[in-house]
Amino acid sequence: EIVLTQSPATLSLSPGERATLSCRASQSVSNYLAWYQQKPGQAPRLLIYDTSNRATGIPARFSGSGSGTDFTLTISSLEPEDFAVYYCQQRTNWPPITFGQGTRLEIK
Amino acid sequence: EVQLVESGGGLIQPGGSLRLSCAVSGFTVADYYMNWVRQAPGKGLEFVSGIYSGGSTYYADSVRGRFTISRDNSKNTLDLQMNSLRAGDTAVYYCARGVFFGELALDFWGQGTRVSVSS
Repeated sequence: EIVLTQSPATLSLSPGERATLSCRASQSVSNYLAWYQQKPGQAPRLLIYDTSNRATGIPARFSGSGSGTDFTLTISSLEPEDFAVYYCQQRTNWPPITFGQGTRLEIK
Repeated sequence: EVQLVESGGGLIQPGGSLRLSCAVSGFTVADYYMNWVRQAPGKGLEFVSGIYSGGSTYYADSVRGRFTISRDNSKNTLDLQMNSLRAGDTAVYYCARGVFFGELALDFWGQGTRVSVSS
């Protein structure tokens, strides 16, 4: 079973700063990782698919990179609406879908 | 416009049953890999069950044998029959559409329906 570990658990930054969120897989997942944003009381929203492709309507300040076991979500300049919880996700042989435990991005 | 609307959640005693439904508009359920994902209070996201367009079904170990995923092509809905419910099943349940870009991502989600299992 592939385990996705996100770090840090909580990231405290100010608007305008750059955010770097990490997702590490317990074994190689090639170049196929997705990222989601979830705000309180809302469903998750797809941000990034296949490691680096922005989903429809996602601003260019969101970018993804990585390969193998180490992946990064970068928000180049934080807007007030970006403070939320972020999850990485991978389709694996079993279970079919695996999520990381999440990184909470909070206002400093 | 793509929309997914879950219903059927509520308060249920341990050992009871509930049937969740996800009404879909804007696309055909049978054409996609459809999923149920849950989120326990204050916790992260957990895959529950999925059904491929070809009909193959998958379940998390924690629900296999108790939950059954299905779809009603005539109504364009995704369902989750939940039996023998436990306190650990308490969560918000989301239906989500899976799309294989290079690999699978969940591109549309419903707003969720809350299931509380308690005596």
